[in-house]
Amino acid sequence: GQSLEQPSEVTAVEGAIVQINCTYQTSGFYGLSWYQQHDGGAPTFLSYNALDGLEETGRFSSFLSRSDSYGYLLLQELQMKDSASYFCAVEGEDSSYKLIFGSGTRLLVRP
Amino acid sequence: DGGITQSPKYLFRKEGQNVTLSCEQNLNHDAMYWYRQDPGQGLRLIYYSQIVNDFQKGDIAEGYSVSREKKESFPLTVTSAQKNPTAFYLCASSPAEAGELFFGEGSRLTVL
Repeated sequence: GQSLEQPSEVTAVEGAIVQINCTYQTSGFYGLSWYQQHDGGAPTFLSYNALDGLEETGRFSSFLSRSDSYGYLLLQELQMKDSASYFCAVEGEDSSYKLIFGSGTRLLVRP
Repeated sequence: DGGITQSPKYLFRKEGQNVTLSCEQNLNHDAMYWYRQDPGQGLRLIYYSQIVNDFQKGDIAEGYSVSREKKESFPLTVTSAQKNPTAFYLCASSPAEAGELFFGEGSRLTVL
């Protein structure tokens, strides 16, 4: 079956850099997605990595290593508004139309 | 503005009642999804639909039903067979395969 593992909680200071890791197990891999969700809100898409390497979008970067079944989300110059839950996700083994989410990492940014 | 509209935002129901959650999108996306989220948890897939008049069960379909008669609409019915329906329900759509999903604001269902 499929599974994704990520830390349940991470705390960091405003202005710092934080890395949120995600390891996955799946027999059919298409790519790794990252979503952000503020409390009570809807998830919003951050990034998608289909190939190995680092993708940068502003303060956020996402990395993928297919050989290690591992990826991470890197948040730089942390701001208070970055306090949220972050989910990694992969497409389903039986259908690329299914997106399976990890249980999420709650990031708390302190002043 | 293009987007996904879910209604109602909050819903209370008595045990034994069926309720239907609405999801409408004007993004012209082919694929639509329903997820359930419990407090402090990740998102679990209930049903998904790749195209009109077709839908597939996700990981937790028992006690739920859907229809996809129009491209824009994907309503979810929470039936009385769902043992623990109190949760946050999220509808989403995507233009093709599930790399990037666009979510609605969610419907919070509470069973009294």
